[in-house]
Amino acid sequence: DIQMTQSPLSLSASVGDRVTITCRASQTISSYLNWYQQKPGRAPKLLIYAASNLQSGVPSRFSGSGSGTDFTLTISSLQPEDFATYYCQHSYTALPFTFGQGTRLDIK
Amino acid sequence: EVQLEESGGGLVQPGGSLRLSCAASGFTFSNYAMNWVRQAPGKGLEWISGISGSGDTTFYADSVRGRFTISRDNSRDTLHLQMNSLRAEDAAVYYCAKGTFAVVVVGTQYNRLDPWGQGTLVTVSS
Repeated sequence: DIQMTQSPLSLSASVGDRVTITCRASQTISSYLNWYQQKPGRAPKLLIYAASNLQSGVPSRFSGSGSGTDFTLTISSLQPEDFATYYCQHSYTALPFTFGQGTRLDIK
Repeated sequence: EVQLEESGGGLVQPGGSLRLSCAASGFTFSNYAMNWVRQAPGKGLEWISGISGSGDTTFYADSVRGRFTISRDNSRDTLHLQMNSLRAEDAAVYYCAKGTFAVVVVGTQYNRLDPWGQGTLVTVSS
């Protein structure tokens, strides 16, 4: 199985901060990488697909980059509604579609 | 609007069975692969199964293979997950999620899970 490793696993930040979350795959996955946001008690929501494509309706302060094994999710200016847990997930042609452990983003 | 709604969760004893359903609306159900993803209490996300739009191809994670069966009824726009021989470690919120293409695995980076249903809770306890 392809292992997905996120860092950090938790992060405290303030409104207006720029935040970066990293995801590393255990083997190359080209750009087969998606990012999801999950708020407590809610289902995950797709933010970024194919490493850098912004899902329709997602604010432009979210961006994704990377290819191969190393990927990042960046929030350019944190808003109160962005405090949540973020997951990366590979969609490479090798099941299972594994997720990272999640990064919990809290208010400082 | 694409909508997914799970049902069928509940309390079951270890070794018991449960059948989950996911009712879909707002899209041509048979044109898209569907998936089940679960989340144990306080834990991360685990993809457990996927099925092609036609229903002729299914995939499972090792953790559930041989115990769970995914199926779909395209005449009723409904996805199912039959769960047998349930264990304590199967306790989780189970989500259904729509795939992007008619097949589960595809050679393009644009494959993603979107949207997701609200989830249904499965508790395994005696």
